[in-house]
Formats: sequence, C-alpha cells, structure tokens
Amino acid sequence: EPEVTQTPSHQVTQMGQEVILRCVPISNHLYFYWYRQILGQKVEFLVSFYNNEISEKSEIFDDQFSVERPDGSNFTLKIRSTKLEDSAMYFCASSELPSGELFFGEGSRLTVL
Amino acid sequence: GESVGLHLPTLSVQEGDNSIINCAYSNSASDYFIWYKQESGKGPQFIIDIRSNMDKRQGQRVTVLLNKTVKHLSLQIAATQPGDSAVYFCAEGQGAQKLVFGQGTRLTINP
Repeated sequence: EPEVTQTPSHQVTQMGQEVILRCVPISNHLYFYWYRQILGQKVEFLVSFYNNEISEKSEIFDDQFSVERPDGSNFTLKIRSTKLEDSAMYFCASSELPSGELFFGEGSRLTVL
Repeated sequence: GESVGLHLPTLSVQEGDNSIINCAYSNSASDYFIWYKQESGKGPQFIIDIRSNMDKRQGQRVTVLLNKTVKHLSLQIAATQPGDSAVYFCAEGQGAQKLVFGQGTRLTINP
C-alpha cells in the first residue's frame, strides 16, 4: 500500500540551528501538507502546497518556516533558526484531490535544545 | 474563532462493546469532517469522513454521525477490539486543505 514517508524520524538540534525535514508524498498525489503536534497537544495545520506554491498557511507558519518541492518526489519543510518551542512532531501529509482523504506520514520528531 | 473540541479526554470500554466518541465543533462554515486514529508514536490514520450534506456514514465497524444543528460529530465503533486502543481525533475543515483538529480522546479497551 502506498504511504507517505518522512525522514529523519528524530532530529535533535541546538537552538538557532537550521533544520530540514523531508517527506516523500504518495506518488500520484498533488496536494501536500505539513502539520505539527507538540507533545500532548492537538495536531495543528502549518501549510498546504499545490502546484509548486503555498496554497494556505497558518499563523504558526511565519518567516522562520519555508517549504519546497526540490524535485519530483520530495517535499521539504525548512525551519530557520530553531527555537525551543519548535520542538514537536512534524507530520507530512498528501492527498490526491483538494477535498480528498489525507494520508499522513509517521512523523519527524524535532527536539530543540 | 474556529475550534474543535472533545467532550471526554478518556474513554474505557470492555472488549466487544460498542464505543461512542463525541466531538463538538464551532465553525458553521466547515463542510468536511474526519475522524483520525493515532497510535503511540505514529501519525494520524484516517478512519472515516463525512461531508456536510450527509448526517450519517458507515464504514467497516465504524459509523460517523453529523448533527449540524448542534455542531456535533460522533464516532461509533462497533464490537471494539484491543487494536482499537488509541487516541481519536476529530477534525473539521472547508475541504481538506486546512484541517482543524480536536484535542483527542484516548480510547482504552479493557479485556
């Protein structure tokens, strides 16, 4: 069964460092998303991406964050100058249609020290 | 503002019993609702969805009910099994573009 894959599964970084989280969406999907989940809290929308541009973003997704589809398979989330409060589980998701089922990856746990 | 919440943070049921997980939402403009299951250390797993033009939808052992009048969503799981133990999130949105998730209910299945 096709699945969304994410790397790394866990990354530990120092405050102020840049982090890139990688995702490989399901191959025939056109809509891509990043969500995050701070430990013990609910899943929060960060950004949606379609046709090589951001289609929607939340208040959380400030200038510190950026997304990119550098090639035909990867979808990345870059966090510049990480802060302690960026520590969370980051989930990538993809869907075939804008109103279709979202398939989530297993997540990348980011720990900022 | 937009918010999605759950009535109970935890729910324990006996194996084989039916379980009902409830969710309240506040955005009248939402037209798409989903239930996700999240097991420890894993990403949300789609269970079932429903659009606002429906009030009930059934899947395999699961049923979602939508009451737009009182902005209430519920997930019914029939004949619960140990593998159903997880945190269940409801989510709402206008389409699937920007989902707002609820806080989650932890379902525990007792043998």
